[in-house]
Amino acid sequence: GENVEQHPSTLSVQEGDSAVIKCTYSDSASNYFPWYKQELGKRPQLIIDIRSNVGEKKDQRIAVTLNKTAKHFSLHITETQPEDSAVYFCAAHNTDKLIFGTGTRLQVFP
Amino acid sequence: ETGVTQTPRHLVMGMTNKKSLKCEQHLGHNAMYWYKQSAKKPLELMFVYNFKEQTENNSVPSRFSPECPNSSHLFLHLHTLQPEDSALYLCASSLREGRDNEKLFFGSGTQLSVL
Repeated sequence: GENVEQHPSTLSVQEGDSAVIKCTYSDSASNYFPWYKQELGKRPQLIIDIRSNVGEKKDQRIAVTLNKTAKHFSLHITETQPEDSAVYFCAAHNTDKLIFGTGTRLQVFP
Repeated sequence: ETGVTQTPRHLVMGMTNKKSLKCEQHLGHNAMYWYKQSAKKPLELMFVYNFKEQTENNSVPSRFSPECPNSSHLFLHLHTLQPEDSALYLCASSLREGRDNEKLFFGSGTQLSVL
């Protein structure tokens, strides 16, 4: 079955810096890769996603890149702000279910 | 609110108790899910219901028993749990048709503590 690995587990950046979170997946049949943000005590919420026929997608300060050959995808956050502090989960969609990574706790210091 | 509501928000139970978690979605979705979230572990898929039919049981112990009476409601019945079952239990829903059928909408979860 699919296996998703996510790194780093924790990430601390200064406000205004960029943050990058990386994920790898094992099954080349996976075709959809979302990213969820979970603020402390709140529900995970979808922030951006990418499909396997696209290499990059951007939405304001966040972007996701996908390398199908290497089976890895990354989340990029530019000009980080304190409200970006949260746990971020990547996931890969395979045979009707989402398999999640272990999460990255991002802390943005003012 | 995202349209997926879970009750209760917090639950403390002994190992011999029986309790139920409830989830309701108001989004017109036709698939519902239970996930378990433990510290430092990935979100673990427990059960999937697609059009009220259970399509996935991810090797979950029988002390967890799901029920989906219709496409808007999902329950997780708990009995004789173990302390290691303490976790955040998240319900989610999705619309399993069309292009965006993989997008999950989560509830706020039930924080369960088993003593």
